[in-house]
Amino acid sequence: DAKTTQPNSMESNEEEPVHLPCDHSTISGTDYIHWYRQLPSQGPEYVIHGLTSNVNNRMASLAIAEDRKSRTLILHRATLRDAAVYYCILRDVHNAGNMLTFGGGTRLMVKP
Amino acid sequence: AAGVIQSPRHLIKEKRETATLKCYPIPRHDTVYWYQQGPGQDPQFLISFYEKMQSDKGSIPDRFSAQQFSDYHSELNMSSLELGDSALYFCASSSSGTGGLNTEAFFGQGTRLTVV
Repeated sequence: DAKTTQPNSMESNEEEPVHLPCDHSTISGTDYIHWYRQLPSQGPEYVIHGLTSNVNNRMASLAIAEDRKSRTLILHRATLRDAAVYYCILRDVHNAGNMLTFGGGTRLMVKP
Repeated sequence: AAGVIQSPRHLIKEKRETATLKCYPIPRHDTVYWYQQGPGQDPQFLISFYEKMQSDKGSIPDRFSAQQFSDYHSELNMSSLELGDSALYFCASSSSGTGGLNTEAFFGQGTRLTVV
């Protein structure tokens, strides 16, 4: 099964951009990458998702490497409220069902 | 906008008791997921329903059961509670859209279950 790899933790300064990497070297052509984040004591929250192209929304941008073996979540200006665990999740058409499998996220700490 | 509603928010039960957690999905969402999150752990998928039928099963103990009703709300029933069942239980909902992989899931605030 295709898997994702993320750093355990990252630090950022407030109001600076943050680049959160996600490696998925075994990704197939039909796998979506979804990003969710979980703030302390809250349920996970959708951030962004993509398949083959870079994506932008009001929360973040998703940059896809040319070889499609990694993606980077970009928060353009980190705020204290962005401190959370960020999960890069592979949604594989070959897996059973559409559930999200959380694991090995990156804990982002934002310093004022 | 309406979000996923879970009730109760907090629940304290004794060992060997039963508990029922409820989840009200976002209107017109046809899929419900249940997750369990122990202290310091990642959310673990338990079970999901699509159009009132069980669609996927994860690491849900045999002591737990769940169903989705005709109004799309879902209930997670937990029996013979153990201390290790103490956790946050999240419900999420989504619309199947284009096969599910291209849609986002919306999570509720969770039910904190404490078994004493």
